[in-house]
Amino acid sequence: DAGVTQSPTHLIKTRGQHVTLRCSPISGHKSVSWYQQVLGQGPQFIFQYYEKEERGRGNFPDRFSARQFPNYSSELNVNALLLGDSALYLCASSLADTSSYNEQFFGPGTRLTVL
Amino acid sequence: GNSVTQMEGPVTLSEEAFLTINCTYTATGYPSLFWYVQYPGEGLQLLLKATKADDKGSNKGFEATYRKETTSFHLEKGSVQVSDSAVYFCALSDHNAGNMLTFGGGTRLMVKP
Repeated sequence: DAGVTQSPTHLIKTRGQHVTLRCSPISGHKSVSWYQQVLGQGPQFIFQYYEKEERGRGNFPDRFSARQFPNYSSELNVNALLLGDSALYLCASSLADTSSYNEQFFGPGTRLTVL
Repeated sequence: GNSVTQMEGPVTLSEEAFLTINCTYTATGYPSLFWYVQYPGEGLQLLLKATKADDKGSNKGFEATYRKETTSFHLEKGSVQVSDSAVYFCALSDHNAGNMLTFGGGTRLMVKP
């Protein structure tokens, strides 16, 4: 079975631009979470979606938004890019959202560089 | 709020040495605790987990015990290999906050032959 997939692998943008990152969860998983990992730091939680509804949001500005589609895939959008948005963006999927026993499976990430 | 603190790296060891990476946590609820590993150029992989106090998680020779009294979840391995070189992240998931993960800053392990 395929794991969590993310696209693109790498992306280079300039300040002020907009970016869309995509994630496909493991088949059967209905919850998708997004994390930002700045170089040399641990991942920081951005969003969690379950059954197409936002179930959690981390401490990120409104420039960050996301959505989940009927097939449970997800997009993360970032507007008005700043240099500080340069990071590895990780997507994780799990069976459900409400139990901390549900293991989250991570994708390989999208490396975003903002120049 | 929830937080995870782990020892800063890098940790450099010779092959077959004993490994300890310290991790302590603060949580408002009753967390589950995890260790994730990130190999160069890859995403995160779950290494082991423990869901309640005194549980011991183990995998691939690594183990960690959930110590509620000291709010700790230290990672240990008796004999490291070069292939264990990676970044290790301690994390918690609070039962009161869905399964959102709160990560520590990561500890880079370098094992020399």
